[in-house]
Amino acid sequence: DTGVSQDPRHKITKRGQNVTFRCDPISEHNRLYWYRQTLGQGPEFLTYFQNEAQLEKSRLLSDRFSAERPKGSFSTLEIQRTEQGDSAMYLCASSLRVIAGGGEQFFGPGTRLTVL
Amino acid sequence: DAKTTQPNSMESNEEEPVHLPCNHSTISGTDYIHWYRQLPSQGPEYVIHGLTSNVNNRMASLAIAEDRKSSTLILHRATLRDAAVYYCILRDVGNNNDMRFGAGTRLTVKP
Repeated sequence: DTGVSQDPRHKITKRGQNVTFRCDPISEHNRLYWYRQTLGQGPEFLTYFQNEAQLEKSRLLSDRFSAERPKGSFSTLEIQRTEQGDSAMYLCASSLRVIAGGGEQFFGPGTRLTVL
Repeated sequence: DAKTTQPNSMESNEEEPVHLPCNHSTISGTDYIHWYRQLPSQGPEYVIHGLTSNVNNRMASLAIAEDRKSSTLILHRATLRDAAVYYCILRDVGNNNDMRFGAGTRLTVKP
């Protein structure tokens, strides 16, 4: 399968614990995005990388959130000291950088986080 | 950011055409109109995008108003597999970064 993959698909944790999610983009894609989606809402942008550089972060990305993309390949999203409000679907997407129109983003299946 | 307005939900009968509207009255000259859809329990998937002219691809057609303040996604023959939430998104030509999703339109297809 050559699509975007995410691991784990589901994560249940207790409040205050740290969690880490992994995203493997499509191999030739140099851009990688993280989104968060709560029930009944559209995805909300969190951050994006071009290769290994994190170029933009949303105000939604509090200090408890950190994302990395070492070597410009896979990416991890870590949430420290989880809160119940962090419960959501975390989506990863990748794309090629294009000049005009915005490149098509390919989304993974998401990681569903439940904080008890 | 330019915003879009879509109906919360729509219904269609199987094998009939579906017209999904989107209003974007504050669109700028450099904004592209993108459509994505999200099937149940999946991440969003790209459907189509355009700037000024109508666009067709294997999935759908995009009709853009002459003043660009609205657009319509057209599914020519809805199938049960088209039941999803459809998102209309504006993306600036100079900003290939994030996409701002609204709540979208939930399409129900009846057999």
